[in-house]
Amino acid sequence: GNSVTQMEGPVTLSEEAFLTINCTYTATGYPSLFWYVQYPGEGLQLLLKATKADDKGSNKGFEATYRKETTSFHLEKGSVQVSDSAVYFCARNYGGSQGNLIFGKGTKLSVKP
Amino acid sequence: ETGVTQTPRHLVMGMTNKKSLKCEQHLGHNAMYWYKQSAKKPLELMFVYSLEERVENNSVPSRFSPECPNSSHLFLHLHTLQPEDSALYLCASSQGLLEDRNEKLFFGSGTQLSVL
Repeated sequence: GNSVTQMEGPVTLSEEAFLTINCTYTATGYPSLFWYVQYPGEGLQLLLKATKADDKGSNKGFEATYRKETTSFHLEKGSVQVSDSAVYFCARNYGGSQGNLIFGKGTKLSVKP
Repeated sequence: ETGVTQTPRHLVMGMTNKKSLKCEQHLGHNAMYWYKQSAKKPLELMFVYSLEERVENNSVPSRFSPECPNSSHLFLHLHTLQPEDSALYLCASSQGLLEDRNEKLFFGSGTQLSVL
């Protein structure tokens, strides 16, 4: 089937710590992969994406590399800030003619000063 | 500001009420979506409209009724809801449908719905 699994939260880090949020997917074919972020009281925003194997998406200091061999798209940031506190969603597109993204359950990140 | 505006931001309704959620996008997009976000569950796609025609309906109960009068507006009409329908309802839009690798969703801030 097609699904996205990401690590359970919440994740609590101190400012300037290293962040990894794991995400794996199951899929037939080669989907595009996404990380969306939801800040408190807001809707989701696209953070970064990768459309083919070995692509690296990056934005605002966050990075994720599309790993076909491990079917993973882990999110990383070298030094988190308090303003990075949010819920992070890994997603893949469904493909075909259906307009859908398949999302993971989300991982809540809290960064303490 | 993502260009997708949802109203109201918060809604409390009884199980016998009828209410509507509104979504408006100012991006010139052709596709619009309703998602349901419940605690500790993945986002659930409810409805997809492309060029004002419904293209997907993921087995949503009939107490939820979408309406897309034009490509900029999307409504979700609610009637006789249940307490388990309490959730954040998110509207989103995209230029085209998501089979294009480069497409992405633009989300509104959502309507937090509580059903008593």
